[in-house]
Amino acid sequence: GENVEQHPSTLSVQEGDSAVIKCTYSDSASNYFPWYKQELGKGPQLIIDIRSNVGEKKDQRIAVTLNKTAKHFSLHITETQPEDSAVYFCAASIGYGGATNKLIFGTGTLLAVQP
Amino acid sequence: ETGVTQTPRHLVMGMTNKKSLKCEQHLGHNAMYWYKQSAKKPLELMFVYNFKEQTENNSVPSRFSPECPNSSHLFLHLHTLQPEDSALYLCASSQENRGSTDTQYFGPGTRLTVL
Repeated sequence: GENVEQHPSTLSVQEGDSAVIKCTYSDSASNYFPWYKQELGKGPQLIIDIRSNVGEKKDQRIAVTLNKTAKHFSLHITETQPEDSAVYFCAASIGYGGATNKLIFGTGTLLAVQP
Repeated sequence: ETGVTQTPRHLVMGMTNKKSLKCEQHLGHNAMYWYKQSAKKPLELMFVYNFKEQTENNSVPSRFSPECPNSSHLFLHLHTLQPEDSALYLCASSQENRGSTDTQYFGPGTRLTVL
């Protein structure tokens, strides 16, 4: 089955710097890659997603890139702020026609932005 | 109420107790999910319901019993749990269409402690 690996497990950056989190997946049929942010005491919140028909997507300070050949995708946060501090999860979907979407999650990255 | 809500937010129970977790989605979605989140582990998919029909049971022990009376409500009935079942239980919902994969929206979770 699908396996998603996420690195690093912890990341500490200075406010204003960029942060990059990387994930690899094993199933070449995966076609949907969301990123979630989870703050303390809350459930995961979708921050950005990408589908396999595009290589890059950007939303203000957040961007995601996808390399289907290498089977990896990355989250880029620029101009980090203290409120970006949280746990970030990547996921890959092996959803297929007629069946329900099944997300496989990475183990998470604890991002700490130092003021 | 908007989004996905879960009650209770915190639950402490003994191994012989019976309790239920409740999830309600206000997004008009047709699919609902139960996940287990343990420390230092990826989110684990437990159950999936699509149009009130269970489409996935990810080898979950029978001491966890899901119920989906309609597309807006999802329950997880708990009985004779073990201390290792202590975790954050997350509910999610999505709008599923044949051939497409869509975003899952998570609730805030129920923090369960089994004594």
